[in-house]
Amino acid sequence: DAKTTQPPSMDCAEGRAANLPCNHSTISGNEYVYWYRQIHSQGPQYIIHGLKNNETNEMASLIITEDRKSSTLILPHATLRDTAVYYCIVRDLNTGGFKTIFGAGTRLFVKA
Amino acid sequence: KAGVTQTPRYLIKTRGQQVTLSCSPISGHRSVSWYQQTPGQGLQFLFEYFSETQRNKGNFPGRFSGRQFSNSRSEMNVSTLELGDSALYLCASSFGDRDYTEAFFGQGTRLTVV
Repeated sequence: DAKTTQPPSMDCAEGRAANLPCNHSTISGNEYVYWYRQIHSQGPQYIIHGLKNNETNEMASLIITEDRKSSTLILPHATLRDTAVYYCIVRDLNTGGFKTIFGAGTRLFVKA
Repeated sequence: KAGVTQTPRYLIKTRGQQVTLSCSPISGHRSVSWYQQTPGQGLQFLFEYFSETQRNKGNFPGRFSGRQFSNSRSEMNVSTLELGDSALYLCASSFGDRDYTEAFFGQGTRLTVV
């Protein structure tokens, strides 16, 4: 079963920041938080990942709470092309495997 | 560098037949994971191969199998196809060692069973 909970859908105005929440209350110390997105009928695209510190790259920022039980993906200036399903997953890298369980994700609609 | 390549992109098969899908990972990546995506069930993990060995397995029947070759290319096979096997099949490649990098997905193979 997926170890994360996300809202099923969200709207965002073009040019505004999109803040996508994710709950992962059972996350363990070895597990990283990863975010992917999937645009219709394409393969999921990696966005960002983190352990406990906030992370930023050219696509997004990831804010992880101090207790690591939740996180927020921030798209600072959403565009119409950011309309996609966003998946928050936890991944235990210490096992050496990549058995990633995807939940239902959040369908983000960016509106003009 | 080249991304993850899945072939074929589209496939139509008849119930009862078998099918083989191929995935070529990014050069240097040794881990290949396979997923099934359907509108009703979302993205479901099938199995993961690392250095020619199955390392993780999801909850799918034995009709679904896979293998990985010495060059890290992977194939998955579905035997005795059922209508419910119609789905987008995705593979993802990563280094697979105990590092903290991302996995890259291919564009998928869309299988239709009629």
